[in-house]
Amino acid sequence: AQTVTQSQPEMSVQEAETVTLSCTYDTSESNYYLFWYKQPPSRQMILVIRQEAYKQQNATENRFSVNFQKAAKSFSLKISDSQLGDTAMYFCAFLNAGNNRKLIWGLGTSLAVNP
Amino acid sequence: DAMVIQNPRYQVTQFGKPVTLSCSQTLNHNVMYWYQQKSSQAPKLLFHYYDKDFNNEADTPDNFQSRRPNTSFCFLDIRSPGLGDAAMYLCATSRAEGAEQFFGPGTRLTVL
Repeated sequence: AQTVTQSQPEMSVQEAETVTLSCTYDTSESNYYLFWYKQPPSRQMILVIRQEAYKQQNATENRFSVNFQKAAKSFSLKISDSQLGDTAMYFCAFLNAGNNRKLIWGLGTSLAVNP
Repeated sequence: DAMVIQNPRYQVTQFGKPVTLSCSQTLNHNVMYWYQQKSSQAPKLLFHYYDKDFNNEADTPDNFQSRRPNTSFCFLDIRSPGLGDAAMYLCATSRAEGAEQFFGPGTRLTVL
């Protein structure tokens, strides 16, 4: 069975600085997807970034980028130039591309961006 | 803009009184999901529809039912809400079962 581990329950960062959220996963599958979702205090879950396991290039979306290390089963999220609006719960999630296609979620990391 | 809409945003019901939550989407996605999310926890998948095919999670209580009358709409029925069913209920859609999911704003259910 797949598992997703986010080892940092809470983090904080100063506005304009860079922060990295960690995520590790366990799977025996070779074809899968990884996601970072953001859930601000308003509670709308928003897709931040998506990574396909067969792609070696790390995904990037504006200030958000990932460091995908497939051999190490690591998928960290880097937020550059942090903004107050980045304050949210961040969930890492795994999706098997084969059978049993449902999201496996980590427990989340609560990020506070301080002015 | 294409989106996932949930109504109502807040729902208060009494213990044991049936309640229905609504989700609609303008994305024309084939798959629709219902999640339950309790405070400070990750979402828990209750069930999903791939088109008209209903897929129930093994640990979803029988108290929870769902209907999908057409591509755009999906309903979550809680037949006899208990205090433990108070939660945020999230609807999500995806183009296919292996694609990324897009979420609605959620319905916060309070059970008195």
